[in-house]
Amino acid sequence: AQKVTQTQTSISVMEKTTVTMDCVYETQDSSYFLFWYKQTASGEIVFLIRQDSYKKENATVGHYSLNFQKPKSSIGLIITATQIEDSAVYFCAMRHVNTGNYKYVFGAGTRLKVIA
Amino acid sequence: DAAVTQKPRYLIKMKGQEAEMKCIPEKGHTAVFWYQQKQSKELKFLIYFQNQQPLDQIDMVKERFSAVCPSSSLCSLGIRTCEAEDSALYLCSSSHGQANTEVFFGKGTRLTVV
Repeated sequence: AQKVTQTQTSISVMEKTTVTMDCVYETQDSSYFLFWYKQTASGEIVFLIRQDSYKKENATVGHYSLNFQKPKSSIGLIITATQIEDSAVYFCAMRHVNTGNYKYVFGAGTRLKVIA
Repeated sequence: DAAVTQKPRYLIKMKGQEAEMKCIPEKGHTAVFWYQQKQSKELKFLIYFQNQQPLDQIDMVKERFSAVCPSSSLCSLGIRTCEAEDSALYLCSSSHGQANTEVFFGKGTRLTVV
């Protein structure tokens, strides 16, 4: 079964610090894609960053980066120099290649609060 | 910019009434997904269309909902008989058919059943 688990329900950090949000996944497939999304207070959900399972290099986009540990089935999101506007709910998601069913599997989300 | 349009943004129905919400996927996207979200919590998968055909859906959708994509530019999600537990934010999203592509979300339809 495919499953994505985010164990941190909520995190609070001080502005300008670095935060890591955890995500572990379960899959039988050899090839898959991992994504992080952000849901703002308005409810809007936006794509942040993607990691391809066959790539060893961690993806980086702006002040978002990933800590991909394939042997541990783990894909952490790292936000450096956090800003107040980073306060949101962050969802980890996985999408498979092999099955032909390209359904996304989402984690339960982690609420991040950045404090001034 | 990617744009998935959902209408209406807000919907109020009485228990027992029918509800319908629409989604216009991003142009060129062949995969459409619907999710239900209650109180800003987890995204509950409802149904997935690929090239307008339903590929996967949960039992609740089969039993109480109606979902179709009559064209590549329009999908709809309906609830035959609204119940209080159906009050939620319904999110439509779309993507290209390849597995390595991200999904783009609409702003959702917030359904309140009174």
